[in-house]
Amino acid sequence: DAGITQSPRHKVTETGTPVTLRCHQTENHRYMYWYRQDPGHGLRLIHYSYGVKDTDKGEVSDGYSVSRSKTEDFLLTLESATSSQTSVYFCAISVAVDDSPLHFGNGTRLTVT
Amino acid sequence: AQSVTQLDSQVPVFEEAPVELRCNYSSSVSVYLFWYVQYPNQGLQLLLKYLSGSTLVESINGFEAEFNKSQTSFHLRKPSVHISDTAEYFCAVRNTGGFKTIFGAGTRLFVKA
Repeated sequence: DAGITQSPRHKVTETGTPVTLRCHQTENHRYMYWYRQDPGHGLRLIHYSYGVKDTDKGEVSDGYSVSRSKTEDFLLTLESATSSQTSVYFCAISVAVDDSPLHFGNGTRLTVT
Repeated sequence: AQSVTQLDSQVPVFEEAPVELRCNYSSSVSVYLFWYVQYPNQGLQLLLKYLSGSTLVESINGFEAEFNKSQTSFHLRKPSVHISDTAEYFCAVRNTGGFKTIFGAGTRLFVKA
């Protein structure tokens, strides 16, 4: 397995609270991604990063922000959690764009009550 | 914009039978194509990829996929499945030169004894 650690693995939080999910990699890969997985939708891209402090929005970025202050860490923040953000969140990394596949972490299951 | 359609949400099949998981994509530019597999409570793992060259690509565990440009398809096949192949399979596409990998909704393969 690629050296990707997501924390926490499980979290339950209340509507309206901020939540931060962490992705840590030991591979020194430049590109990092946050996806959410929901039944019937597959994986949808939230945000991605192409370098330290370089980030951009994916297809479902509303209500989420990210930060990358170090190569190894990519944080996803739900500014004010809503029930529609209940999901499984996956971090992925790749060494390059184009033909490099993604390597995934084991996911964070987030429940917003 | 890119999109990926996996035509079957669930595929039940008996052990040792052949299986085909269908995937169609749309894109206005050249693409790279991927199949990922997800076992329960795990992240996704790369199964195989098409980058260029031979349109038939194979994985180490007996799966193969054929890129058909005219039909914009990348169907996944295995001539004889095992119980251990039970998992969810995701087709994905990335534009050449692009950052974003777009996933289909997934096909759940269930192999019965």
